[in-house]
Amino acid sequence: SQQGEEDPQALSIQEGENATMNCSYKTSINNLQWYRQNSGRGLVHLILIRSNEREKHSGRLRVTLDTSKKSSSLLITASRAADTASYFCATVWGSARQLTFGSGTQLTVLP
Amino acid sequence: DSGVTQTPKHLITATGQRVTLRCSPRSGDLSVYWYQQSLDQGLQFLIQYYNGEERAKGNILERFSAQQFPDLHSELNLSSLELGDSALYFCASSDHTGTREQFFGPGTRLTVL
Repeated sequence: SQQGEEDPQALSIQEGENATMNCSYKTSINNLQWYRQNSGRGLVHLILIRSNEREKHSGRLRVTLDTSKKSSSLLITASRAADTASYFCATVWGSARQLTFGSGTQLTVLP
Repeated sequence: DSGVTQTPKHLITATGQRVTLRCSPRSGDLSVYWYQQSLDQGLQFLIQYYNGEERAKGNILERFSAQQFPDLHSELNLSSLELGDSALYFCASSDHTGTREQFFGPGTRLTVL
């Protein structure tokens, strides 16, 4: 089964609004990463947060990590139509280095 | 552009056939990962190679195999193809530590008819 589950599965907002996506996972992790995928294309890395970090910012992105609840959230502020994409959380855990992906959130930003 | 290249972009074949997908990692990256993305299974890790050696295996079927060559490019071989193998296959690469982000190629869309 997938390590992470994301919520909501789909999110539709107006340009300029903030978008929040949540991710839950099952095991202890080394780090958690967020990726974006435009329809049918490759994944693009957005941000990485390590297990000993609680919050991280990158431009309009803010990621939080709560290891006690095994959850993370991605906030995109002042969204733009170009942010329309699927967003996936992915965990790296144990001695493995592969990514275990969540089910993804489809974000639609309406102009 | 991630620096990871994959060929071909699209592949259409019939059940029972065998195909080879190719990946060239970013310059300097020693690790190559293969992932499968399908509607019902989502994004799943298949296999990882590091500097020519298999490092980790995920949900890879026995009909599938991979290798990494001395020039670090990798190939994923899919044989005895079934309808359910239709999916997007992604290759990703990372630096030798594997603790940072992975860089994904554009993918190969495989359609099995």
